[in-house]
Amino acid sequence: ELKVEQNPLFLSMQEGKNYTIYCNYSTTSDRLYWYRQDPGKSLESLFVLLSNGAVKQEGRLMASLDTKARLSTLHITAAVHDLSATYFCAVDPQYGGATNKLIFGTGTLLAVQP
Amino acid sequence: NAGVTQTPKFQVLKTGQSMTLQCAQDMNHNSMYWYRQDPGMGLRLIYYSASEGTTDKGEVPNGYNVSRLNKREFSLRLESAAPSQTSVYFCASRQSGGHGYTFGSGTRLTVV
Repeated sequence: ELKVEQNPLFLSMQEGKNYTIYCNYSTTSDRLYWYRQDPGKSLESLFVLLSNGAVKQEGRLMASLDTKARLSTLHITAAVHDLSATYFCAVDPQYGGATNKLIFGTGTLLAVQP
Repeated sequence: NAGVTQTPKFQVLKTGQSMTLQCAQDMNHNSMYWYRQDPGMGLRLIYYSASEGTTDKGEVPNGYNVSRLNKREFSLRLESAAPSQTSVYFCASRQSGGHGYTFGSGTRLTVV
């Protein structure tokens, strides 16, 4: 059974600081997704990482994937209040011809304080 | 606007009542999914459908049934609602050969 673990579960940080959210998963996969969710809203796609070593950046967020370590990171640079949200990673374990589907981590609630 | 439409947005049920959550997509996607989201547990896959006419169990299928009515529509049914099914339910779809998943806006269900 695929398990996806995120840490930390809660992150309170000051504006201007840097931090990293970690996503570990338990089975072979080279497809990893990052989503953002604001309170009461649906999921907004941030990044899709499709190969070992993939790195993508958008604004103050940068995501990377190490398939050998089964680890993805979401790095936040110089945080601003607008980044406050819950961030989810999700793994598509597609293997052996199985149907694509997403298995989610538990999420990281990010609160950026002024 | 193209996307995934879920109805209703909010629902309150009494224990033992039944209801069907509706989901429709207009992007010609083959695969569709139902997730539930509970505090501190992320999104958990209930059922999914790789294509019209097929459905499979996900991580937490107990207490639910699904129907892939046609390529556009994928419904989730609670036959006898229980308080443990209080949750926010999200429907999603995925384009075959693509990598992106599109999520609906969610249905907030409370079972009292």
